[in-house]
Amino acid sequence: IAGITQAPTSQILAAGRRMTLRCTQDMRHNAMYWYRQDLGLGLRLIHYSNTAGTTGKGEVPDGYSVSRANTDDFPLTLASAVPSQTSVYFCASRPSRSDTQYFGPGTRLTVL
Amino acid sequence: KNQVEQSPQSLIILEGKNCTLQCNYTVSPFSNLRWYKQDTGRGPVSLTIMTFSENTKSNGRYTATLDADTKQSSLHITASQLSDSASYICVVSRGGADGLTFGKGTHLIIQP
Repeated sequence: IAGITQAPTSQILAAGRRMTLRCTQDMRHNAMYWYRQDLGLGLRLIHYSNTAGTTGKGEVPDGYSVSRANTDDFPLTLASAVPSQTSVYFCASRPSRSDTQYFGPGTRLTVL
Repeated sequence: KNQVEQSPQSLIILEGKNCTLQCNYTVSPFSNLRWYKQDTGRGPVSLTIMTFSENTKSNGRYTATLDADTKQSSLHITASQLSDSASYICVVSRGGADGLTFGKGTHLIIQP
């Protein structure tokens, strides 16, 4: 693994189903983030984690949950997907002494 | 309210021409301003970062300027190439884990 990876690349999901988007980084960055990107709205922060074991809510957290059991992984879970959660989801990480966030390739999620 | 406004929303220019993208912000307090490039289907990648005391910074054919007094930034692209076709996102930081405000981006298309 080099950098930050996300899985799956894309997914079509029935409304009401549970879904976990995976994010893994091998850069040993302490901070990690989940964003959604919608046409005309730009990137919006869902949840973040400053370090393993801690998480925080961003601008649009409702309907999403995260966990940070270790430094490398930061999964995002949709407990019961709704069509308004159709979006492209980006995971990002940031080293401790920098403001630069490094983004993954994204997951395109469609909820029908 | 913390906001980042970018203009134009989209831009089409011929290969080899120069162009300038604008970013106005109302974010306070101000920590830094960053320009990201996002290729279609990929995650954003940082181009430049500027703090309060910096008013210009270059990265190859990309030159960013910052006027902290008027709260304006621009990204100038010189001698455009087809690979410059992308969305360019202005991001202003207040500091802190959730302190980023993203613009909606300028979609740039370079035509041969």
